[in-house]
Amino acid sequence: AQSVTQLGSHVSVSEGALVLLRCNYSSSVPPYLFWYVQYPNQGLQLLLKYTSAATLVKGINGFEAEFKKSETSFHLTKPSAHMSDAAEYFCAVSDQVGGNQFYFGTGTSLTVIP
Amino acid sequence: KAGVTQTPRYLIKTRGQQVTLSCSPISGHRSVSWYQQTPGQGLQFLFEYFSETQRNKGNFPGRFSGRQFSNSRSEMNVSTLELGDSALYLCASSVGTGGQETQYFGPGTRLLVL
Repeated sequence: AQSVTQLGSHVSVSEGALVLLRCNYSSSVPPYLFWYVQYPNQGLQLLLKYTSAATLVKGINGFEAEFKKSETSFHLTKPSAHMSDAAEYFCAVSDQVGGNQFYFGTGTSLTVIP
Repeated sequence: KAGVTQTPRYLIKTRGQQVTLSCSPISGHRSVSWYQQTPGQGLQFLFEYFSETQRNKGNFPGRFSGRQFSNSRSEMNVSTLELGDSALYLCASSVGTGGQETQYFGPGTRLLVL
């Protein structure tokens, strides 16, 4: 069975500081991993995804994530936070054969302090 | 290319009623998945349709059903509404089905059951 754990339901960073959002997954098969962002009253927007091509994945808006199999992690980072990054972030995992069924983490709310 | 559209955006119903939500996927996308988002349970997978066939189903009661039409548009129906069905219902579309597919989300339909 697939599952995702996001450590820290709320993260606050100062504008210009490093953003680190943690995601650990559990999967019985090599996973596909995704990070989505959700702004208030909107749907989810894809930031980046890992599909085994490269362990360091670059996404939109300066975000990147590194797949570490030994740590079963897929943490999301951004070197310098911007006020517009304030949103809810979701990590998701899907397996290779189960169709388009995503298993989402509980989300991390990012606050950026000016 | 137009994104995923969902109608209506907001809906208020009373207990015992039924409701139908609609989702129009991105042109060319054949897979449509539905998710329920609540503060308590987070994002939970309802079901996926691909080429008019239900491919996956989440752990929801039979009151939740869906269908997909030949033009890939999808509807989900909830019968005998309960207070706990109040949620944001998100639809996502993708080109195909398979764990590596990126799912593109619509803005959601916010359902309030009184």
